[in-house]
Amino acid sequence: DTAVSQTPKYLVTQMGNDKSIKCEQNLGHDTMYWYKQDSKKFLKIMFSYNNKELIINETVPNRFSPKSPDKAHLNLHINSLELGDSAVYFCASSQYLGGSYGYTFGSGTRLTVV
Amino acid sequence: AQSVTQLGSHVSVSEGALVLLRCNYSSSVPPYLFWYVQYPNQGLQLLLKYTTGATLVKGINGFEAEFKKSETSFHLTKPSAHMSDAAEYFCAVSDEGESNFGNEKLTFGTGTRLTIIP
Repeated sequence: DTAVSQTPKYLVTQMGNDKSIKCEQNLGHDTMYWYKQDSKKFLKIMFSYNNKELIINETVPNRFSPKSPDKAHLNLHINSLELGDSAVYFCASSQYLGGSYGYTFGSGTRLTVV
Repeated sequence: AQSVTQLGSHVSVSEGALVLLRCNYSSSVPPYLFWYVQYPNQGLQLLLKYTTGATLVKGINGFEAEFKKSETSFHLTKPSAHMSDAAEYFCAVSDEGESNFGNEKLTFGTGTRLTIIP
């Protein structure tokens, strides 16, 4: 069983479209995250949620809206996609708020905007 | 705010040789430090972590790292490289030690690509 699963794995779409990426974890963790990995492999946090509550909201355009219907799910919706949104998006979870227990990452969603 | 510097974006070693990947951090409080590995087209996998206690930390796949506070370093080593070690390696620091409850996060370095020469 996959601990943190993301769908879809690949997403190719045109500029201006709206798309969603889904993430689910079956680890019973309280906290979930979205990270963006750019073409140079740099990883930057976008959002974190703890028990469905938004905790971290880094400087991310308003076109990105996370939603957590329950603590096992954290989805990412992106409006009006731009070329610069092309990246790999990783979902992650951790047992408690904070990183000391380490994060469990999903396998990523490669988003290509054309 | 904390930060991580990984020296060398690309490191090549021969199979069987010592692997040394460098990581220096900046943190105003005792840090929690991590190494993650990313294989091609996969997510990140935790190799090892340091939170408190023994400064030499052993991880999976024969890797270990030593926390040196005086040098603000957390270098990753492996005595003998295997072909299967070829991957991208990320050092990360957590600001949990700052006790800003509710705002902790991992900050990653820019990664080091390890290539193993047969």
